[in-house]
Formats: sequence, structure tokens, C-alpha cells
Amino acid sequence: AQKVTQAQTEISVVEKEDVTLDCVYETRDTTYYLFWYKQPPSGELVFLIRRNSFDEQNEISGRYSWNFQKSTSSFNFTITASQVVDSAVYFCALSEAWYSGGGADGLTFGKGTHLIIQP
Amino acid sequence: GAGVSQSPSNKVTEKGKDVELRCDPISGHTALYWYRQRLGQGLEFLIYFQGNSAPDKSGLPSDRFSAERTGESVSTLTIQRTQQEDSAVYLCASSPQEGVSYEQYFGPGTRLTVT
Repeated sequence: AQKVTQAQTEISVVEKEDVTLDCVYETRDTTYYLFWYKQPPSGELVFLIRRNSFDEQNEISGRYSWNFQKSTSSFNFTITASQVVDSAVYFCALSEAWYSGGGADGLTFGKGTHLIIQP
Repeated sequence: GAGVSQSPSNKVTEKGKDVELRCDPISGHTALYWYRQRLGQGLEFLIYFQGNSAPDKSGLPSDRFSAERTGESVSTLTIQRTQQEDSAVYLCASSPQEGVSYEQYFGPGTRLTVT
């Protein structure tokens, strides 16, 4: 069965520091998708990125970057020059491919990392 | 356009009562998902709909939980004889199509407190 582990329960950094959120996953499938979501204090989950298992290219979007490494089953998320508005709970999630028999059975989420950016 | 909406935003109920939670997906989204988020925890998948059909109900925690969906529109999650362990935020998400590659758009959730 699939599993997502976010070992860091809470991280606190000072504004402008870089911070990396770790995500390690387990899956039987060779085809799967990985996601990151942000949950600010308001509570509504915000989609950040989707990555399929065949695309190991790192991605950068502004101050955000993602490092996908199949060899270590990791999909880490880095925020560069953090800002107070980045404070939120960040979730990593996994979805296995439909045709591999996993079914469209929703996303498997990690327990989240609470990121606190101090001014 | 309008996002996923859920109602009520907060619900306090007494143990043993039934509750009904509502989700309005983004218009045109065929897939709809329900999740539960307990305090300080990640999201736990409950059920998904493709149209008004629910192929996978394996995530429902007990037979006290049921869900239905009208066409490709509103869905309701019903919890009968609520227990204190049902206290959580219930999140609904919709997706343009069924399939694991599509991102899910989440609603603000319903915070359920069972006293």
C-alpha cells in the first residue's frame, strides 16, 4: 500500500532563511503522481505542484523548488528566502496510477509539516 | 470562477445525533472526493464519486458513514449516530476528471464537533 512520510512535524525559521521540507513515499507502482499542498491558517488547501513518476526534472517556481529523486523515493520542497506569508502546514501527497489497479482512490497524504516563519 | 463550497462551515452536535455535510463542487468537475482531517493530522481519504457513482467506498470508517451525489453536482456526507471520534474537519475536493493525475481543488471544510 502507498504511504507518505513527512518526518518534520514542525519547522521554525527566521524570515529570509531557506527551508527544505522533506517527503518520502512508498508505492508498489511504477506510475504514480506526487503533489504538494499548502494549508494556510484559513484552512483551505492550496495546490502547489504535481509531478509524475517519469519526470525527475527538478522544478522551480519563483521562490519554490522541488527535488524529485526516485532513487531515494523522495520529493522534497524548498522555499528560498522565506517570508512570513509562507507560514502554513504543507502536505505531500501520493496517488497511484488508475490502470495499475490502484483505482482512483484519492490521495494519500503525509501528516504535514507545520512551517513557522518568524519575522 | 467559484471554487468548491461546503456547508455548514462549523457544526456542533451531540453524541448519537445524525449530521449531514454538504459539498458543492466546481461546476463541470466530474470527480468529487471526501476526506477527513483530524486535529494535527494529515488528510484521510473517505470516498470518491465519478458522476453520481461511488466505485470506491473502502475509506469510509464505519457503516455509520454514507455519501451520495446528485448527478455531477452536490454531494452529501451523512454520519449517523455520531461519536466523539468523528470530530474532525471534513474536506471535499473536486477534479475536472477522474484520474490520479489531476489535481484536486479543495473546499474550506466543515469542522464537526461531537460533544
